[in-house]
Amino acid sequence: GNSVTQMEGPVTLSEEAFLTINCTYTATGYPSLFWYVQYPGEGLQLLLKATKADDKGSNKGFEATYRKETTSFHLEKGSVQVSDSAVYFCALIYGGATNKLIFGTGTLLAVQP
Amino acid sequence: GAVVSQHPSWVICKSGTSVKIECRSLDFQATTMFWYRQFPKQSLMLMATSNEGSKATYEQGVEKDKFLINHASLTLSTLTVTSAHPEDSSFYICSARGGTSGSYNEQFFGPGTRLTVL
Repeated sequence: GNSVTQMEGPVTLSEEAFLTINCTYTATGYPSLFWYVQYPGEGLQLLLKATKADDKGSNKGFEATYRKETTSFHLEKGSVQVSDSAVYFCALIYGGATNKLIFGTGTLLAVQP
Repeated sequence: GAVVSQHPSWVICKSGTSVKIECRSLDFQATTMFWYRQFPKQSLMLMATSNEGSKATYEQGVEKDKFLINHASLTLSTLTVTSAHPEDSSFYICSARGGTSGSYNEQFFGPGTRLTVL
């Protein structure tokens, strides 16, 4: 079946450190891939997305590239800030335009000053 | 972006009682709303999809008689957990999207409701 696997947290980094959160997926066909972020006390927000192989999604300094050969969509940021502390969810949509999101378990990122 | 609210943010109830959770789209019309459940350290699991004015579509394994969903207007959907038991304790999250089916439109998420059944 379709699934998303992302690295377990928490990930603790110092400010300005480089961030990678790994995400791999299993899907039939060609899913669209997403990263969502959930700040404390708030709902999930779409951070970035990629809809086909080799696409790179980017937003707020975060990037992720849709790698079909490795079925991955790793999230990266060159220099994290304290304000980036949140839970990050990798997700995919399968089955055409059904809009059914399948989420990974989420990774808590804690950035220390 | 668009705002989705949930009420209450947390609720504690006794076993056997029913609990209603509201999900509202505050500044857009939500043709479709989704209800998710999240266990600690686990993924969000889609429970059901509801379209305004029609019956909800439940995912496999979700009891429709236990989790009643009503999407009576374009800005409000409710989830009622009937005869709640401790195993129903969880974090319930709704999302809403506008637009039409057949194309991807962004889902906007509520902040979630923590249900604890004693």
